[in-house]
Amino acid sequence: DAKTTQPPSMDCAEGRAANLPCNHSTISGNEYVYWYRQIHSQGPQYIIHGLKNNETNEMASLIITEDRKSSTLILPHATLRDTAVYYCILLNQGGKLIFGQGTELSVKP
Amino acid sequence: KAGVTQTPRYLIKTRGQQVTLSCSPISGHRSVSWYQQTPGQGLQFLFEYFSETQRNKGNFPGRFSGRQFSNSRSEMNVSTLELGDSALYLCASSWGQVESPGYTFGSGTRLTVV
Repeated sequence: DAKTTQPPSMDCAEGRAANLPCNHSTISGNEYVYWYRQIHSQGPQYIIHGLKNNETNEMASLIITEDRKSSTLILPHATLRDTAVYYCILLNQGGKLIFGQGTELSVKP
Repeated sequence: KAGVTQTPRYLIKTRGQQVTLSCSPISGHRSVSWYQQTPGQGLQFLFEYFSETQRNKGNFPGRFSGRQFSNSRSEMNVSTLELGDSALYLCASSWGQVESPGYTFGSGTRLTVV
């Protein structure tokens, strides 16, 4: 079973920041937080991952709380092409990606 | 660089038949995982191979099997197909260490069982 909880859907206005929350209260010390997104039943696309510290790349920022029980994915300037299902996943060494239901993000003009 | 390649992209089979799907990982990646995606169940983990050995296995019946070759290419096989096996089958490859930047997915094989 997935160890993460995400809201089933969210809306965001184009050009605004999209903040996608994820709860993972049972996270283990060696588990990383990974984010993927899937557009129109294409293969999921890697976005970002982190262990303890906040992370930023060209696509997004990942904010992990100090107790690591929750995290937020931030898309700083959402575009229509960011409309997708976003998955928050915990992964440990040699582990497997267990997908939950994800958050369906709709970016609206 | 070339991504993860899955073949074929689309497949139609009849109940009771068997099918083999292929996945070529990114060059240098040693881990290959397989997933089944259906509208009702979402993305479900099938199994993972690392250096030709099955390292993890999901909760699927024995009709679903896989293997990995010395060049890291992987195949999965489904025998005695059922209508419920209709799904998008996705393959993902990685270096095999969690610290590396994640799994890269292919575009999938859409299997329809009639």
